[in-house]
Amino acid sequence: KNEVEQSPQNLTAQEGEFITINCSYSVGISALHWLQQHPGGGIVSLFMLSSGKKKHGRLIATINIQEKHSSLHITASHPRDSAVYICAVPYRDDKIIFGKGTRLHILP
Amino acid sequence: DGGITQSPKYLFRKEGQNVTLSCEQNLNHDAMYWYRQDPGQGLRLIYYSQIVNDFQKGDIAEGYSVSREKKESFPLTVTSAQKNPTAFYLCASSAGASLGTEAFFGQGTRLTVV
Repeated sequence: KNEVEQSPQNLTAQEGEFITINCSYSVGISALHWLQQHPGGGIVSLFMLSSGKKKHGRLIATINIQEKHSSLHITASHPRDSAVYICAVPYRDDKIIFGKGTRLHILP
Repeated sequence: DGGITQSPKYLFRKEGQNVTLSCEQNLNHDAMYWYRQDPGQGLRLIYYSQIVNDFQKGDIAEGYSVSREKKESFPLTVTSAQKNPTAFYLCASSAGASLGTEAFFGQGTRLTVV
């Protein structure tokens, strides 16, 4: 079993829809990262969460440490949001564990 | 501002040549990491270093080499022994001191062997 599981693997939605991407993990952590990878490959760090909720523009990230679950939400989705979204969990001092990513495609 | 810098963003290499990818951080982080991503796949650990002058192999170290002569720098060399070097490479760093330490990520380098 992977230590970090993301769902869904692929998601296609219409412009304007509310998007939710989930990340569950089985290891003990106190922080989790959400990353965005555009088709060109570059990685952008979106959020680092240790508790509660963070918001940046149309992006909202939540985490429940007790339930070992985090969600990334996109409100009023736009085609430029099309990317791969990856959750990453720093675990011990010799590992960062990545989810396999969720490929999001927003149709105009 | 503190951060982590990877360069170049795109790199082309002739088959049989070694190539070195740069990763620099000014965050005073002890731990640094290199990951590889193949199309449609997740990120896999190549090498990591928890302290200067020390580094450990990750899951797919064959065909790669690293050095950690300075805390700020963790260059990755893709050698001619790496059979399938075309991939996306990501560098990361963390304070590495305790569970759940915040991590920082480079933009990544896309290497293409021609």
